[in-house]
Amino acid sequence: SYELTQPPSLSVSPGQTATITCSGDELEDKYVCWYQQRPGQSPVLVLFEDDKRPSGIPERFSGSNSGNTATLTISGTQSMDEADYYCHVWDSNALVFGGGTRLTVL
Amino acid sequence: EVQLVESGGGLVQPGGSLRLSCAASGFTVSNDCVNWVRRAPGNGLEWISVVSCGGRTYYADSVKGRFSASRDTSKNTVFLQMNSLRVEDTAVYYCARGGGGSGWDFLDYWGQGALATVAS
Repeated sequence: SYELTQPPSLSVSPGQTATITCSGDELEDKYVCWYQQRPGQSPVLVLFEDDKRPSGIPERFSGSNSGNTATLTISGTQSMDEADYYCHVWDSNALVFGGGTRLTVL
Repeated sequence: EVQLVESGGGLVQPGGSLRLSCAASGFTVSNDCVNWVRRAPGNGLEWISVVSCGGRTYYADSVKGRFSASRDTSKNTVFLQMNSLRVEDTAVYYCARGGGGSGWDFLDYWGQGALATVAS
């Protein structure tokens, strides 16, 4: 089965850029989406089809996908961005999530 | 406005059963795919099942043969029947609407979640 790998944690200072990676075999051949889950809340879709933002998602969230790695970039990180982030692809009639990255804004 | 509301969670002993419901509004479950995703304590998100817009169902290997998803289009509701429950099935279960070209490339609306606890 297909696997996605994310770093377990990342810490950034407010105002800095946070870069979260997601790795998988020939990932660029798939559409990657990203979810944010704050503590005690339901997940929220922040990017779909690699780099598209749903309505209401701030412009500081951006994405890319090349080779075996997709990237979620948060520019000018704010304290409200502290959350768990998950990448996700569709593969062979199943959805696959990465293990998640806990973003801490110090 | 799209909304999904889960219900039916609770405490059950190992080997028991639970039935979760996901009441949808703002869209029809006959036209859109609805997925079930769970998050166990200390773990990340795990996809469980989908009821596709064509009525077909697919399952993760971890629940295949034990869980069954279905829908009632007259009630615009999707169900997850969970049998032979194990301690490791303890989790918050979310239903989420699928979107994109396949109908479930991404999950654009999520419910608030229902907690299922399997313990003796």
